[in-house]
Amino acid sequence: SQQGEEDPQALSIQEGENATMNCSYKTSINNLQWYRQNSGRGLVHLILIRSNEREKHSGRLRVTLDTSKKSSSLLITASRAADTASYFCATDGSNDYKLSFGAGTTVTVRA
Amino acid sequence: GAVVSQHPSRVICKSGTSVKIECRSLDFQATTMFWYRQFPKKSLMLMATSNEGSKATYEQGVEKDKFLINHASLTLSTLTVTSAHPEDSSFYICSVRTGAEETQYFGPGTRLLVL
Repeated sequence: SQQGEEDPQALSIQEGENATMNCSYKTSINNLQWYRQNSGRGLVHLILIRSNEREKHSGRLRVTLDTSKKSSSLLITASRAADTASYFCATDGSNDYKLSFGAGTTVTVRA
Repeated sequence: GAVVSQHPSRVICKSGTSVKIECRSLDFQATTMFWYRQFPKKSLMLMATSNEGSKATYEQGVEKDKFLINHASLTLSTLTVTSAHPEDSSFYICSVRTGAEETQYFGPGTRLLVL
């Protein structure tokens, strides 16, 4: 079942600007993952952050995790037109590796 | 990361027919595969977990007789939508999990349209 909620639902920014989106969840987790989906395509894994980690970087991506608030954020710096996509957070809180996905944030980067 | 394919990428069928969707792990053996369903502009809903050599585990509310899952080998899982109806029209995505990683690797998805 879904347990993540993402905010905002949609985001439109100019190329070069930063994009920030947030994810909140309800139950305890083992890890939280962020995925990107281009229109009509499958999901691409971006980054995984474990419950005992607070921040993680990968290229232009920065993810934070606050387990006390049950929330995470994804920051994309210096956005490019190719970053236009939907971004989903997914939590893994069970021992069977099932993922619960948030509703997603649709990001549009204007050239 | 792992490479996952799905076939077909798009299928249109008449109401009442059955449709089989294949999910293949191309470069490693996947003991666990997951099937998701996604409605337009919505999130992914987990349908079932497919384990090689055993029966699939379905999520609550998913009809196992409607959505037949077979994980016959370590590289192939199939989802058959039986007696499809227009409300089954959706985007179906599979994912695989390697034994060593917590990350799931997703296929490109199959768009099903039932007329």
